[in-house]
Amino acid sequence: AQSVAQPEDQVNVAEGNPLTVKCTYSVSGNPYLFWYVQYPNRGLQFLLKYITGDNLVKGSYGFEAEFNKSQTSFHLKKPSALVSDSALYFCAVRISGGYNKLIFGAGTRLAVHP
Amino acid sequence: EAGVVQSPRYKIIEKKQPVAFWCNPISGHNTLYWYLQNLGQGPELLIRYENEEAVDDSQLPKDRFSAERLKGVDSTLKIQPAELGDSAVYLCASSSLAGTYNEQFFGPGTRLTVL
Repeated sequence: AQSVAQPEDQVNVAEGNPLTVKCTYSVSGNPYLFWYVQYPNRGLQFLLKYITGDNLVKGSYGFEAEFNKSQTSFHLKKPSALVSDSALYFCAVRISGGYNKLIFGAGTRLAVHP
Repeated sequence: EAGVVQSPRYKIIEKKQPVAFWCNPISGHNTLYWYLQNLGQGPELLIRYENEEAVDDSQLPKDRFSAERLKGVDSTLKIQPAELGDSAVYLCASSSLAGTYNEQFFGPGTRLTVL
């Protein structure tokens, strides 16, 4: 079955430190991967996507993600975390044959402490 | 550019009552999605429209849920009758050119509480 997993319910990091939010996937065919962020009482906002090409994808707000085909992972990263980055982060994969149908992970809550 | 608009933002109803949610997608977006987001989980697709046509409603509980997208713009999602387990956030999203990999743009959602 096609799926996406976010193994951490919560990630805690100190402001200024690098952060990583993990995502692994299982799809048939080429993976198309996305990261979204959700702030309280707001809808999901698109951060970045991997379709093809360079394994390191740069997105909004200084975030980037690294696609690793052998490990079927698409981890979200940022070199220096901000308190304002605290939010809920969702990884999503477009399932093959699904015509832009996305399957989302359960989400990871990022808490950045001053 | 205005984003996806949803109303109401919050709704509290008694079980067995009907409820409706409204969505206005980004201008020019021909694809519209309704998602259900339970607490602590990621969104799950309920139904997808390409213009006026519902092209994927396999996850929509058709015994109590219905949706429409008249004229291929605004959409309404209805629940009748509502059950306690329907308490969740209902998200609407839109995208352009569904045949590509364009990202979906989400509205703020409607938080439904069924008492």
